[in-house]
Amino acid sequence: DVKVTQSSRYLVKRTGEKVFLECVQDMDHENMFWYRQDPGLGLRLIYFSYDVKMKEKGDIPEGYSVSREKKERFSLILESASTNQTSMYLCASDTQGRDEQYFGPGTRLTVT
Amino acid sequence: AQKITQTQPGMFVQEKEAVTLDCTYDTSDPSYGLFWYKQPSSGEMIFLIYQGSYDQQNATEGRYSLNFQKARKSANLVISASQLGDSAMYFCAMRHLNFGNEKLTFGTGTRLTIIP
Repeated sequence: DVKVTQSSRYLVKRTGEKVFLECVQDMDHENMFWYRQDPGLGLRLIYFSYDVKMKEKGDIPEGYSVSREKKERFSLILESASTNQTSMYLCASDTQGRDEQYFGPGTRLTVT
Repeated sequence: AQKITQTQPGMFVQEKEAVTLDCTYDTSDPSYGLFWYKQPSSGEMIFLIYQGSYDQQNATEGRYSLNFQKARKSANLVISASQLGDSAMYFCAMRHLNFGNEKLTFGTGTRLTIIP
């Protein structure tokens, strides 16, 4: 069974902390994505990666960075968390073309 | 730039009735794919159905069908014989199918509630 896992379902951090969100997929997919989901705004793409060590900015990259050192793992980093980064974060992976994206269960991050 | 519009923030439908969720898109690229996802209250994103821009027939998957009208740039999801378990958020999404431009763009979603 295909699987995308995320390191935490719920996370509470303080303003200014450095936050790491980890995502692992076991499908040997080339592409991996990080989205944030907010009510009324749908899913918005933060960063994505086509291959190891490659990354591309999505629609809202400000305040975030990513790391992909291994094909199966894609990390989202909040260098200095702020309250406006409180959100649901979803990781996804896929292969090129028409295949659907497979999503992880999401991490609900609260920054206080 | 690609854009997806879902104009129905919420819908209430009687159980066993059919329901249509609207989705329009905007792109100048001729090669693209359209997706529908379901997100129940548990939060996971579930893939429902896919339509390619060159596909001649409308896609169907069980009770789900996609009413694809290319000239009008619309890709409405039709759920036949709705069930209580269909209550969820539904997202329409699009991606271009050329290498290097494969990000998925989502609409803002429609919250569907099935009434017993």
